[in-house]
Amino acid sequence: GAGVSQSPSNKVTEKGKDVELRCDPISGHTALYWYRQRLGQGLEFLIYFQGNSAPDKSGLPSDRFSAERTGESVSTLTIQRTQQEDSAVYLCASSSSGGGQPQHFGDGTRLSIL
Amino acid sequence: AQTVTQSQPEMSVQEAETVTLSCTYDTSESDYYLFWYKQPPSRQMILVIRQEAYKQQNATENRFSVNFQKAAKSFSLKISDSQLGDAAMYFCAYSTGTASKLTFGTGTRLQVTL
Repeated sequence: GAGVSQSPSNKVTEKGKDVELRCDPISGHTALYWYRQRLGQGLEFLIYFQGNSAPDKSGLPSDRFSAERTGESVSTLTIQRTQQEDSAVYLCASSSSGGGQPQHFGDGTRLSIL
Repeated sequence: AQTVTQSQPEMSVQEAETVTLSCTYDTSESDYYLFWYKQPPSRQMILVIRQEAYKQQNATENRFSVNFQKAAKSFSLKISDSQLGDAAMYFCAYSTGTASKLTFGTGTRLQVTL
């Protein structure tokens, strides 16, 4: 596609449920990133995939968070046993490579935990 | 750890006037990149401008330009001939050449008045 696509656009779920967020990067982009943006705040890095290298998971806040990416295609971010503090906008970005290349963002998924 | 500081939570500018948004950063790296992103209410992050630290020349993109002061670790954004469509949150961000994740400041909300 022309841009980074994320789904769903909005997700409302009950505390304790698992959620799965999807990101489809720009075709040909080898690098993919997930960020979290809490209300009124800046973006926090979660995880980074670059080609077939081991992902940089240093930003994942707890073991309830995990992400997968197969090759240079779609990525899914999974949050298990959701808590109210997980409520945020989750943004995905991709770039042609790592190392300072411009990151192109999707519209994000707004996650609300009741 | 690298940090990015935006000391102006809110700024206001009249249409057609010029405004400067401030950003400072802290790093011990020599190879790094600086970015300004715009986030309108639609929440998509839009790249405004990118600066490579090894380049002394300030980056420009149409009405947007930066004042990059490497020794002072300062990276301000100047918007000339401000337009109503420039109203948004503006985030300053940093990445290194090796660790590609972006570190964001807390943002500056820009209002454009008639």
